[in-house]
Amino acid sequence: QVQLQESGPGLVKPSQTLSLTCTVSGGSISSGDYYWSWIRQPPGKGLEWIGYIYYSGSTYYNPSLKSRLTISVDTSRNQFSLKLRSVTAADTAVYYCARDFKAVAGGFDYWGQGTLVTVSS
Amino acid sequence: SYELTQPPSVSVSPGQTARITCSGDALAKQYAYWYQQKPGQAPVLVIYKDSERPSGIPERFSGSSSGTTVTLTISGVQAEDEADYYCQSADSSGTYRGVLFGGGTKLTVL
Repeated sequence: QVQLQESGPGLVKPSQTLSLTCTVSGGSISSGDYYWSWIRQPPGKGLEWIGYIYYSGSTYYNPSLKSRLTISVDTSRNQFSLKLRSVTAADTAVYYCARDFKAVAGGFDYWGQGTLVTVSS
Repeated sequence: SYELTQPPSVSVSPGQTARITCSGDALAKQYAYWYQQKPGQAPVLVIYKDSERPSGIPERFSGSSSGTTVTLTISGVQAEDEADYYCQSADSSGTYRGVLFGGGTKLTVL
C-alpha cells in the first residue's frame, strides 16, 4: 500500500523559507507512471495546486507561486521536497503531498495526511 | 488560464440524489476528477477520467460530462456523504500544463 508522509516545521516566520519533505513508502518515486505534487489548503478555504515534479526532475509550477517556489526530488531517499521563499501570512495552510497517476490519467490517487504550516512571528 | 466553477453548497435529504456541477472551458479538452474531503481529513478521489470510479468507492457515486460541464451524482445519499467535494482538471492552455481545482461544494445531508 502506497503511503505519503509530509514532514517539516509547523511554524515559519514571515519573509523566511517554508521547507517540507514528502516521503513515499510502498512504491518507487522513480516510476515513470506518476507525477508528484504539492497541494495546499488555507484554513477554511479550498484546494490550491502548488506544483509537481517528475522523477527525472522536470517540474511544473503554479504561475502564481513560481517566482518563490522550488520543488526537488531525491530518488535515493524516495522523497520530494518543497521550498517556498519569502512567506507571508497568506501562505498559512495545510500542505499536502499527493501522487498523480499520470500514465492512466488516474488523478491524485494517494495523498499524505497533510501538515499545517503557520506563518507568524 | 482556465477556471473551474462549482456551486458553494448543495443540500439533499437522505435517500435523495445529489448533483454537483463543475463548469469551465478546460473541461471541453481535459478529463475531470472529483475528490471528497471530510473535516480534518485529506481529500479522497471518488471519480477519475470524468466517469470512472476507483476501487472501494461506492456505486452510488457517478460522474458525467457534457461539453464544458461535468457533474458528480450521488444516488441514494447517505449521512456519511456529507463532505466538501472538489472538481479538478488540467490547464493545458499554451505550453502550461498545470492543475486546476474548483472552489469546492459543501454537500449537506438534511
